[in-house]
Amino acid sequence: DGGITQSPKYLFRKEGQNVTLSCEQNLNHDAMYWYRQDPGQGLRLIYYSQIVNDFQKGDIAEGYSVSREKKESFPLTVTSAQKNPTAFYLCASSTSRDSYEQYFGPGTRLTVT
Amino acid sequence: GENVEQHPSTLSVQEGDSAVIKCTYSDSASNYFPWYKQELGKRPQLIIDIRSNVGEKKDQRIAVTLNKTAKHFSLHITETQPEDSAVYFCAATRLGYGNKLVFGAGTILRVKS
Repeated sequence: DGGITQSPKYLFRKEGQNVTLSCEQNLNHDAMYWYRQDPGQGLRLIYYSQIVNDFQKGDIAEGYSVSREKKESFPLTVTSAQKNPTAFYLCASSTSRDSYEQYFGPGTRLTVT
Repeated sequence: GENVEQHPSTLSVQEGDSAVIKCTYSDSASNYFPWYKQELGKRPQLIIDIRSNVGEKKDQRIAVTLNKTAKHFSLHITETQPEDSAVYFCAATRLGYGNKLVFGAGTILRVKS
């Protein structure tokens, strides 16, 4: 473990509020990813970034936003436009050079009521 | 886009027996197929992967086979142990295009002792 961290582990918000999930890595990885995990649906890609100051939408980007101002950090904002925000959110990073393995953070469980 | 289907959704085996999980993919351009294991409450971790130029890969008790013509790949676990109990995810991607993994829905493996 270690190398890629997410905070907080649990997060509770009221409907209509934006919330930002933190993801930090000290692995010197260029690429970073955000996934959403729901029961029975596997992991679905929200956004990804291959390099600083650049990011691309994944399969379920609606209602989410990201930034990549630093190589080490890739925060995800869940906006009030996301219709079903309650989920487990996983951040990952990879070198995309000699290995394609994605290293995952411990995840943040977001509950919106 | 790519679509990955995974079967079965749950699998119970007796300790010492073999377990097989199968995945099919839709994009014939996909050329990298990793398998991740997620223990309860933990982050997904890569256990084995295969590139499309290889038909089979083994690592101790686990192996992955790939049939490019049929567009399916399988995870084989031999001599299962209680610590193999977890959720297993297959994934597929076309390398060089953001390495965006498309995951299957997952298989809950229970090894009964």
